[in-house]
Amino acid sequence: AAGVIQSPRHLIKEKRETATLKCYPIPRHDTVYWYQQGPGQDPQFLISFYEKMQSDKGSIPDRFSAQQFSDYHSELNMSSLELGDSALYFCASSFWGIMETQYFGPGTRLLVL
Amino acid sequence: RKEVEQDPGPFNVPEGATVAFNCTYSNSASQSFFWYRQDCRKEPKLLMSVYSSGNEDGRFTAQLNRASQYISLLIRDSKLSDSATYLCVVIGTGNQFYFGTGTSLTVIP
Repeated sequence: AAGVIQSPRHLIKEKRETATLKCYPIPRHDTVYWYQQGPGQDPQFLISFYEKMQSDKGSIPDRFSAQQFSDYHSELNMSSLELGDSALYFCASSFWGIMETQYFGPGTRLLVL
Repeated sequence: RKEVEQDPGPFNVPEGATVAFNCTYSNSASQSFFWYRQDCRKEPKLLMSVYSSGNEDGRFTAQLNRASQYISLLIRDSKLSDSATYLCVVIGTGNQFYFGTGTSLTVIP
């Protein structure tokens, strides 16, 4: 069965650079969630989208923005990267209304030098 | 205070042992509860949902105590393949997922 796809899987950036992470949800899933998991930390909810509209916002820094496109894929844009942004970024998808069952992608590992 | 608190462990148990993990949550209005499993450097995967009536799936039993705002996971007859981090997840207000910090389990041959 198709799963959530994230790209790139690994990314190395320098401080103050920008990065764009992409997420392709499971086909027919209409809701996408972004999480940040720092080393030894639990995943922290950043933001979610339903039908291309922001549905919920968590601890997403102002330097980050995200959107969901007409094909339901989502992109997380990160600017003015800081060392503390180094983390594993997960995307998850679900059907709206069945959000209990979130399927996670493999994650993008971002390293900021 | 974090929404979800877990004992981080680590728990090191021999094969065949029974091990229990606990988790507490702070928002009494929370409605849905889950246990996820996360292997090293991999994504979290749903292990099981947690209901007040208890939920059993093979060697795994999950329990919810709303009065104490407490969730538990019991693993019987531990296997080497059970070694992972177990994350307690609570859906809070606003439908956000709140993860615990995870409990690390290593099953030793």
